[in-house]
Amino acid sequence: NAGVTQTPKFQVLKTGQSMTLQCAQDMNHNSMYWYRQDPGMGLRLIYYSASEGTTDKGEVPNGYNVSRLNKREFSLRLESAAPSQTSVYFCASRVSRGTNEKLFFGSGTQLSVL
Amino acid sequence: GQQLNQSPQSMFIQEGEDVSMNCTSSSIFNTWLWYKQEPGEGPVLLIALYKAGELTSNGRLTAQFGITRKDSFLNISASIPSDVGIYFCAGQVGDYGGSQGNLIFGKGTKLSVKP
Repeated sequence: NAGVTQTPKFQVLKTGQSMTLQCAQDMNHNSMYWYRQDPGMGLRLIYYSASEGTTDKGEVPNGYNVSRLNKREFSLRLESAAPSQTSVYFCASRVSRGTNEKLFFGSGTQLSVL
Repeated sequence: GQQLNQSPQSMFIQEGEDVSMNCTSSSIFNTWLWYKQEPGEGPVLLIALYKAGELTSNGRLTAQFGITRKDSFLNISASIPSDVGIYFCAGQVGDYGGSQGNLIFGKGTKLSVKP
């Protein structure tokens, strides 16, 4: 089992460029999440998708869009990258039934915006 | 919104020493989780706690869900070099469903172990 797979692992963008971070999970989880991690800030939720066909804003959604393409895939798009979006991005997934709260993370995408 | 205060921010210890870290909140949580993150990787779940007062162990790790439901601690006994990493606490306020079911993360405790 691959678990949660994120691509790319590293990316450098110029201010104003756009890109899409890809995420796929093979655990048949209903819910998927995008977090960003900044030094001293912990993990902050950008967007989440509680189930296929739904997406909702998290704590820091500005400057991002998401697409839940199907049950497996949840992408994060930066339409016009800004230096403030330099961060490490993590995708995560979990089962949504009952109170199963265990979140499984991908290995991250390190993004630098110059 | 809810916040978790995790302390200490960092720890430098000698191999073999015990470690203790904790998280506190002004809000009540239904679930507490502890994660470990190694360099270049995503966080990995160590322990999950579901009931106030619950004490759970995973090898040399022990975590407790505070009686008030507003705090949790993680202890690591007899630390070894591979314990190095960042440890995060995370809490869930409500049952799954809607934003209340989302996890809130502490800012992490960076652990360094000197051989």
